[in-house]
Amino acid sequence: GAVVSQHPSRVICKSGTSVKIECRSLDFQATTMFWYRQFPKQSLMLMATSNEGSKATYEQGVEKDKFLINHASLTLSTLTVTSAHPEDSSFYICSALDGLHQETQYFGPGTRLLVL
Amino acid sequence: QKEVEQNSGPLSVPEGAIASLNCTYSDRGSQSFFWYRQYSGKSPELIMFIYSNGDKEDGRFTAQLNKASQYVSLLIRDSQPSDSATYLCAVSDSSASKIIFGSGTRLSIRP
Repeated sequence: GAVVSQHPSRVICKSGTSVKIECRSLDFQATTMFWYRQFPKQSLMLMATSNEGSKATYEQGVEKDKFLINHASLTLSTLTVTSAHPEDSSFYICSALDGLHQETQYFGPGTRLLVL
Repeated sequence: QKEVEQNSGPLSVPEGAIASLNCTYSDRGSQSFFWYRQYSGKSPELIMFIYSNGDKEDGRFTAQLNKASQYVSLLIRDSQPSDSATYLCAVSDSSASKIIFGSGTRLSIRP
C-alpha cells in the first residue's frame, strides 16, 4: 500500500507555544489530505480537509485560526497548532487520498502531542 | 447527518473462530467502503476496500457489501490473538469528497 509519513512522532511543549506537524505522501501524489484528532479511547474526529493549492475546509467546531493548515505541494501538508494549551494534547493523525486508487485514504503513523 | 454505525463491542471471539464485524451506513449514494484496523496507540491501517455488492476475499479477511440494505461486514477467519484491535468501518460520502468513519468495534481474540 501507499506510504504516508508524519513528523514528529511525538512532541512535548509548553503551554502557549506553537507546534508544526508535517504529513508527507512518499510514493504517490495527494491532492487531498485530511487531519484527524483522536483522544484516548475515542473515535477519530475529522478536523479539516486539506486541498493542494487552496484553503483548507474545516469541520464544524474546529477553529481555523488555531489549527493552521498549509498544503503547498502534492506531497506535503502541515498542521500548526498555535498557542497550544493542555486541552490540545491529543493524537493527531493525517491521511492522504490516493485519487488513482478509488479514493482510498492512507494514514500516517500519527503525532502524539503533549502540552504541559 | 450522514452516519456510519458500528457496535462498539467489545466483541470476544475464541482463537481459531470466525469474527464477524458489522456496519451500517445512512448515505444511500455512498460508493466506496473501507475497513481499517487500529491497534491501541497506533494510527489506522487499511485492511480492505470494497465497491461492488457481494463478497471480496483477501487471505483470512472477507468483506461483504449489500447496498440495498446499506450494510457492510468484515469476516476474519481463523482468528488470531494478533487480530485483537479496534476495527473501523469507513464509507465515502456521495460526493466522494471525504470518508466518514464509524466509531469502531473493539475485537478481542481470546487464546
